[in-house]
Amino acid sequence: DTGVSQDPRHKITKRGQNVTFRCDPISEHNRLYWYRQTLGQGPEFLTYFQNEAQLEKSRLLSDRFSAERPKGSFSTLEIQRTEQGDSAMYLCASSSLMPGTGVGTDTQYFGPGTRLTVL
Amino acid sequence: AQKVTQAQTEISVVEKEDVTLDCVYETRDTTYYLFWYKQPPSGELVFLIRRNSFDEQNEISGRYSWNFQKSTSSFNFTITASQVVDSAVYFCALRGGSARQLTFGSGTQLTVLP
Repeated sequence: DTGVSQDPRHKITKRGQNVTFRCDPISEHNRLYWYRQTLGQGPEFLTYFQNEAQLEKSRLLSDRFSAERPKGSFSTLEIQRTEQGDSAMYLCASSSLMPGTGVGTDTQYFGPGTRLTVL
Repeated sequence: AQKVTQAQTEISVVEKEDVTLDCVYETRDTTYYLFWYKQPPSGELVFLIRRNSFDEQNEISGRYSWNFQKSTSSFNFTITASQVVDSAVYFCALRGGSARQLTFGSGTQLTVLP
């Protein structure tokens, strides 16, 4: 049984470059989340997928950010024209809602994160 | 709006001491869920516990215990007989009944000295 995996674990890029991160959720988890965590802070929500549908986006997700989950399995998060302020840990989480249970009863399990450094 | 406050930025204890991490939350939802996660130096957030707003029973799991008090909007976490391996950042999080995302506090860095 594998947990949530993320690739790469570390990414160093120059300002203005595009980067893409990948997240593989726990098998059969239909919900997938992206969060961003800066130093000394808790994670902040970016976006949420249920299966392949992107159902919610935070105002933190500027036009330079795009996320996809094309077949309802893995997800990618792309940042275009990176800025130094994008330097952070990008965390992915997945969950599965048991049939017949309440809306908020699922638990999110997190991956190891991708640490992005923009020079 | 949802808000989680972890007023203790850093705590340092000596091994075998008990330590309590405080968490205060704000929400207008009548149904909500509270969580604690542990983030060791490796960076991965590890789920510890989920508590529903309608269940105020305290919970104990080994050396860990949680005290949920709706009257004071608090969900505190106690580690008994702390160990060096407990050193990590601990986050309290909240999800309102209809929301999908978690709202995290800023975390408490716990250092357990040998």
